[in-house]
Amino acid sequence: AQSVTQLGSHVSVSEGALVLLRCNYSSSVPPYLFWYVQYPNQGLQLLLKYTSAATLVKGINGFEAEFKKSETSFHLTKPSAHMSDAAEYFCAVSNQGGGNKLTFGTGTQLKVEL
Amino acid sequence: GAVVSQHPSWVICKSGTSVKIECRSLDFQATTMFWYRQFPKQSLMLMATSNEGSKATYEQGVEKDKFLINHASLTLSTLTVTSAHPEDSSFYICSAREAGVTTDTQYFGPGTRLTVL
Repeated sequence: AQSVTQLGSHVSVSEGALVLLRCNYSSSVPPYLFWYVQYPNQGLQLLLKYTSAATLVKGINGFEAEFKKSETSFHLTKPSAHMSDAAEYFCAVSNQGGGNKLTFGTGTQLKVEL
Repeated sequence: GAVVSQHPSWVICKSGTSVKIECRSLDFQATTMFWYRQFPKQSLMLMATSNEGSKATYEQGVEKDKFLINHASLTLSTLTVTSAHPEDSSFYICSAREAGVTTDTQYFGPGTRLTVL
């Protein structure tokens, strides 16, 4: 069985500050890991994905995440927050590629303040 | 990128009626589509996997007779909530799998908000 844990259901940062959203996973097989963003009343948009290639993954909108096997983590970061980054962020895991069943974390609501 | 649409975007119905939600892949063919349910301020829970031309695979605890899934073509899957009740009110999101030689990605629809009175 696979699972992801997102620490912190709500994160608040100032505009221009570092964004750090935490995700830890549990998987009995090498995982495929994903970060998605959801704006209010919308579906999910893929930010980035880890598929066993480079451990540092760069995504859209300036986000990146680093896969750390020793820590079973896949934290999402962005050097400088923008107001438009305010949204819900979900970490997800799959035991195959991104086209297969995904198990999502509980989500982290990011608030960006002036 | 690939686009997935859902229709309707929101629907209000009376208790006891049935509601059909459509999920379409607009610019690619999807042999597999997924249906998720999301309660307010919660995560997405996979309900079922829809495969074109065959029966859907339901996750444990999901009533297949209540949530009817049909995947009649490579671009369309439908979810019908039968005899809807207020507890079925939720945000339903579909995704479509684009699988090829160099890609294997799910693209999500914008969701359908169902309110059962």
